[in-house]
Parts: sequence; C-alpha cells; structure tokens
Amino acid sequence: RKEVEQDPGPFNVPEGATVAFNCTYSNSASQSFFWYRQDCRKEPKLLMSVYSSGNEDGRFTAQLNRASQYISLLIRDSKLSDSATYLCVVNPEGGNKLVFGAGTILRVKS
Amino acid sequence: DGGITQSPKYLFRKEGQNVTLSCEQNLNHDAMYWYRQDPGQGLRLIYYSQIVNDFQKGDIAEGYSVSREKKESFPLTVTSAQKNPTAFYLCASSITAGRSETQYFGPGTRLLVL
Repeated sequence: RKEVEQDPGPFNVPEGATVAFNCTYSNSASQSFFWYRQDCRKEPKLLMSVYSSGNEDGRFTAQLNRASQYISLLIRDSKLSDSATYLCVVNPEGGNKLVFGAGTILRVKS
Repeated sequence: DGGITQSPKYLFRKEGQNVTLSCEQNLNHDAMYWYRQDPGQGLRLIYYSQIVNDFQKGDIAEGYSVSREKKESFPLTVTSAQKNPTAFYLCASSITAGRSETQYFGPGTRLLVL
C-alpha cells in the first residue's frame, strides 16, 4: 500500500462547480498535512496546510479525518485558473521528510 | 526578490557523464532538499540537508551526490551510476530543520538523457 494515495483523475468540471478530492494516508502517527498545487511543468506551490479542526481559505476548504486516515480538499465555484494537479502531502514522522501523493488532475472547462 | 533558483532549466546528459544541477536560495532557510518527479508518481526525496556541511540520504539516493558548503547552495550531482536519470528535479527549502515546516520549491530542472 502506498503511504499516500490519491485518485489521479482527471476531474473534468464546468466553471462554477464544486469539486472535492480525497487523499488517504497509511501511517496513523502522521503529524501534519498539506495540499500543494502544481501547474503543468511547474514547481509545486503550497495551497494550504490542513489542521485538525479543518480550515478554509476563500473558496478552498480542507478537512482532516484522523480516524479514517484521510484528508480532503473542497473547491467551490471553480474557476478556469483552478485547473492544475493537486498534491496531497503528509509528514509521517514530524521531522523534515514529507511524503507526496502522485496528484489529482483537475480540469475546469467553460 | 527572495526565492529559490535552479539552473539550468533543461539539461542533457550523455551516457557515462556526470552532471551537476544548481540550487540557490536567499531565504536564509536552514534546510534544503532535492526531489525527483517522474510522470504519474509523487515526488521522491533524493537527499536533504538540515545544516551546512551535513546532509542525509533520502529514499532514492543511489547514483546521486550532494554537498552543502554554504547555507545558500545545495548542488546535486547526477552520476553515471544513475541508470535512469531522465526526470524533473526539484529543489526545496524550509526555514528550520527537524520540524514540520512548509517547503518552498524552486522552478525545477528537466534532465534528459541523449
């Protein structure tokens, strides 16, 4: 089983739609969690950290479910500019090492 | 502007050749990292450094070497021992070592084998 698993997609949605991605992780002792966004042929950029209580940043909402070992990302009112690959990232040991999922591709169409 | 720079953007390697990828940061970050990204896979850690003159192997260190002689610089050498070097190489840094800090990435170097 991979340490971090994501549905690769692609998710094809119309502008204005709400879309949700899930990510599961295998290490129950994992310490911290992130969502990164990666545009085609570019470097990953931090979208948001994921906190135990859940957190929201504009149209983006992240949730953590420790009991079921998954995190989610909800995007409301999708924009064309949201088209990208979304990487689920987990810190399993609390140190420097991060584990990256392979990413979920989102395509928002007009 | 503060940030992480990587050069070159594209690099071509001949069989049996060693090549070095540059990574420089002016963020005053202590920790630096090298990752490799292949299509359809997550980023995999090659090497990381928590402080000057110290570095540790990541998950796929074979065929690679690094140095950390200056805080700002963390070059990666892809040696001839790395049999499948074609990939997108990403350098990252974080403020402190030993904690779960956000990592910031450079623009990457694409390495292709001729």
